[in-house]
Amino acid sequence: TQLLEQSPQFLSIQEGENLTVYCNSSSVFSSLQWYRQEPGEGPVLLVTVVTGGEVKKLKRLTFQFGDARKDSSLHITAAQPGDTGLYLCAGYSGNTPLVFGKGTRLSVIA
Amino acid sequence: KAGVTQTPRYLIKTRGQQVTLSCSPISGHRSVSWYQQTPGQGLQFLFEYFSETQRNKGNFPGRFSGRQFSNSRSEMNVSTLELGDSALYLCASSPGGGGSPLHFGNGTRLTVT
Repeated sequence: TQLLEQSPQFLSIQEGENLTVYCNSSSVFSSLQWYRQEPGEGPVLLVTVVTGGEVKKLKRLTFQFGDARKDSSLHITAAQPGDTGLYLCAGYSGNTPLVFGKGTRLSVIA
Repeated sequence: KAGVTQTPRYLIKTRGQQVTLSCSPISGHRSVSWYQQTPGQGLQFLFEYFSETQRNKGNFPGRFSGRQFSNSRSEMNVSTLELGDSALYLCASSPGGGGSPLHFGNGTRLTVT
C-alpha cells in the first residue's frame, strides 16, 4: 500500500511568516498534486508536478518535487490569513487511484 | 462551466439504515471518483467509475457500492449504516481519470446516530 506522510499535521503561524510543509513516501510517483481545502468545501487543485527536481511557483507558493519522485514540499512566503486551510498532497503512480496524505492544517493569524 | 454538484449537503441517519448520495460531474468529464474523509484517516478512496464501469475499488466493505449512469452522473450507496460511517463523502470528476487532476464537489456530510 502506498502511503504519503505529511508533516507537520498542524501549523499555526503569524501573518508574514514563512513556512514549509512536507509530503514524503517510500514509493515513487509519476506525478504529485497539491490541493487546498477550506472549511465546508472540497479540495481545490493548486499544482501538479511530474518531473523529478521540478519547481513550480504560484504567487507566494513554491512547490518542489524530489529528485527521486518520492517526496515533495510546499513553501509559502509571507503567509496571509487567506492561506489558512488544509493542504493535501496526492500521488499518482499509474493504473491506481490518487493516494492522498492526511494533510497539514495551516492557520495564519492576522 | 458548472462545477461538481453533490446532493444532499447534509444527512443524518440512524444505525442500520441505508443512504444514497448523488454526484453530478462537470459536463464532459467521464470519470467520477468517491472519497471518504474523516479527521483520523484523511481522504480514503472508495471507488472510481469511468463510462459506467467501475475502474478501481478501495478497501471498503461490500456495504459501500456505487454506480454511474450514461450521463456520467454517479450515486453511491451505503447499506446497514454504522456509527463509523459518519464522514464527509467527496465526489470528484476528471476528464479521463488516470491521474488527471480531480475536481471535487463540496461533499455530503453524513452523520450516523
